[in-house]
Amino acid sequence: DAGVIQSPRHEVTEMGQEVTLRCKPISGHDYLFWYRQTMMRGLELLIYFNNNVPIDDSGMPEDRFSAKMPNASFSTLKIQPSEPRDSAVYFCASSTSSDSQFYNSPLHFGNGTRLTVT
Amino acid sequence: ELKVEQNPLFLSMQEGKNYTIYCNYSTTSDRLYWYRQDPGKSLESLFVLLSNGAVKQEGRLMASLDTKARLSTLHITAAVHDLSATYFCAVDLTSGSRLTFGEGTQLTVNP
Repeated sequence: DAGVIQSPRHEVTEMGQEVTLRCKPISGHDYLFWYRQTMMRGLELLIYFNNNVPIDDSGMPEDRFSAKMPNASFSTLKIQPSEPRDSAVYFCASSTSSDSQFYNSPLHFGNGTRLTVT
Repeated sequence: ELKVEQNPLFLSMQEGKNYTIYCNYSTTSDRLYWYRQDPGKSLESLFVLLSNGAVKQEGRLMASLDTKARLSTLHITAAVHDLSATYFCAVDLTSGSRLTFGEGTQLTVNP
């Protein structure tokens, strides 16, 4: 099991540029989450998908942020245009629902993408 | 809105000592998770607590859940340097997904 795979690990870009973060969840997991971590705000849920369908995107800060999950093995988080305040570590995580339907497995996090917008 | 608060946020302790990290949450839930994060690394799942009175132990760490008090504790026994990390609790309100994380407790164990 390779775990959740994110790319790139580091991204440095200039303000106004488009940034695309990528995530491959663990095979068989039906939930995928995008989190952002900053010193000031801690870990924030941006959006999550169930079976490739966006369920809750209320954490997406602005229209500049968008996320897609075209298939069960791939998701992207795009920021266009990027701004310095978007600088953060972005984590992708996946989990699987159990037979009980009331409990998910713990989230399995990727190694994150450290984004710096100058 | 669900709020999850951890106490303390920073903890410096000596090797061999015991201490407890507290996690309070504002809305009824019976699913709570503990994670560990090393500096510059990802988050690693430690414990999943699914019912009132649940207790889980792994090595020098023991987690418990009191759903009536909306409180979880992470107890550290005879701390060692390798336990230095940031510990997060997270609460799940809905049927499996939307975790809300606490602020994290940065633990430093000194020799």
